[in-house]
Amino acid sequence: QSVLTQPPSASGTPGQRVTISCSGSDSNVGINYVYWYQQLPGAAPKVVIFRNNKRPSGVPDRISGSKSGTSASLAISGLRSEDEADYYCGAWDDNLSGYVFGPGTKVTVL
Amino acid sequence: EVRLLESGGNLVQPGGSLRLSCAASGFTFSSYAMSWVRQAPGKGLQWISSISYTSSAIHYADSVKGRFTISRDNFKGTLSLQMNSLRAEDTAVYYCVKFYDYDFWSGFDQWGQGTQVTVSA
Repeated sequence: QSVLTQPPSASGTPGQRVTISCSGSDSNVGINYVYWYQQLPGAAPKVVIFRNNKRPSGVPDRISGSKSGTSASLAISGLRSEDEADYYCGAWDDNLSGYVFGPGTKVTVL
Repeated sequence: EVRLLESGGNLVQPGGSLRLSCAASGFTFSSYAMSWVRQAPGKGLQWISSISYTSSAIHYADSVKGRFTISRDNFKGTLSLQMNSLRAEDTAVYYCVKFYDYDFWSGFDQWGQGTQVTVSA
């Protein structure tokens, strides 16, 4: 069972906006930066949001992140077929002295 | 360009041992914390272990504590994972991962392509 909580799936039609939530606790999301990782089928994960809401170069501005208290969210607007992937939130947990991930959310473009 | 190249994955019997290596290039290896993350077939990401840039701080997930040992050679730019007493549930793709900074709170910014470890009789 994951320390962070995410919905198992999310979907939308092309052009729509999809939001994925990530719920944690005071020892991880509440106190440390949240990161979001995208994993395309058959590929290694890659970071799409770092330090709660920063986008690495090359990640489109359609993808955004936010954090409030012990919850974070990832939003994908203007949904495109290339956004179909698994998305994981992650953060360092001070109580566990380890990195924790959410179970992942599969985004489907209908 | 940052490159993380894992090697050492293989088929091994339960109770056996395996040593994974990760060759890093394209950045100053000695300035960044590093980690191993695994993914079992059809499952999510699981953090295994992290090591600070000086090797002074090391952490393990409870599931591998006492069986796995992480280490690094800053002169050679390599990260290693010694895995002993392997179990079927250790079967996974193992990723070598670089942190954004020298500390563990900075999150992961680069991932290798992964190496497959299969534990089966």
